[in-house]
Amino acid sequence: SQTIHQWPATLVQPVGSPLSLECTVEGTSNPNLYWYRQAAGRGLQLLFYSVGIGQISSEVPQNLSASRPQDRQFILSSKKLLLSDSGFYLCAWRQRSSGNTIYFGEGSWLTVV
Amino acid sequence: AQRVTQPEKLLSVFKGAPVELKCNYSYSGSPELFWYVQYSRQRLQLLLRHISRESIKGFTADLNKGETSFHLKKPFAQEEDSAMYYCALSYGYSTLTFGKGTMLLVSP
Repeated sequence: SQTIHQWPATLVQPVGSPLSLECTVEGTSNPNLYWYRQAAGRGLQLLFYSVGIGQISSEVPQNLSASRPQDRQFILSSKKLLLSDSGFYLCAWRQRSSGNTIYFGEGSWLTVV
Repeated sequence: AQRVTQPEKLLSVFKGAPVELKCNYSYSGSPELFWYVQYSRQRLQLLLRHISRESIKGFTADLNKGETSFHLKKPFAQEEDSAMYYCALSYGYSTLTFGKGTMLLVSP
């Protein structure tokens, strides 16, 4: 069966420091991969999605970037964190052959101090 | 542009009462609609999708294209239904747009 993992689960970083959140999917190949941010009162905001290795689409211009170095690996990064980057980040995947259902990881809490 | 609106941030009901979580969408094409649920300390998970026309945990949702709505309903709420509920719209094969969510609290 397919599984998705993201880490770290929680992270406290100072303003101006770099960020790297990793996400991997197992048990499937060539999935669509997504990064969402969940903020109170703002729901789920799509940040990036990828349909293949090296293919990244950005939905919202911001201080973050994403990369997909391998088929089942998706990384969310920042060179210099801002206070406003604090939030709950969710990685997700979808297998195109199994319809449009998206499956989510456990999430990563980022607090920028 | 596609949009999903959940007008209620919080819905509080007593156990055994009927529940209706509202969702309206705007999309010019043929959308696929979903309800996702997030229980406390658990990951976001799919509750149901409109093309399945199924009932999950007593919940149902009917797509009304005339009213562009996909309201989630349950005739008798249970305490374990307390959670955050998100309505979502899928278009094409790439992305899923979510509403802002509705917190459902079911009191004993």
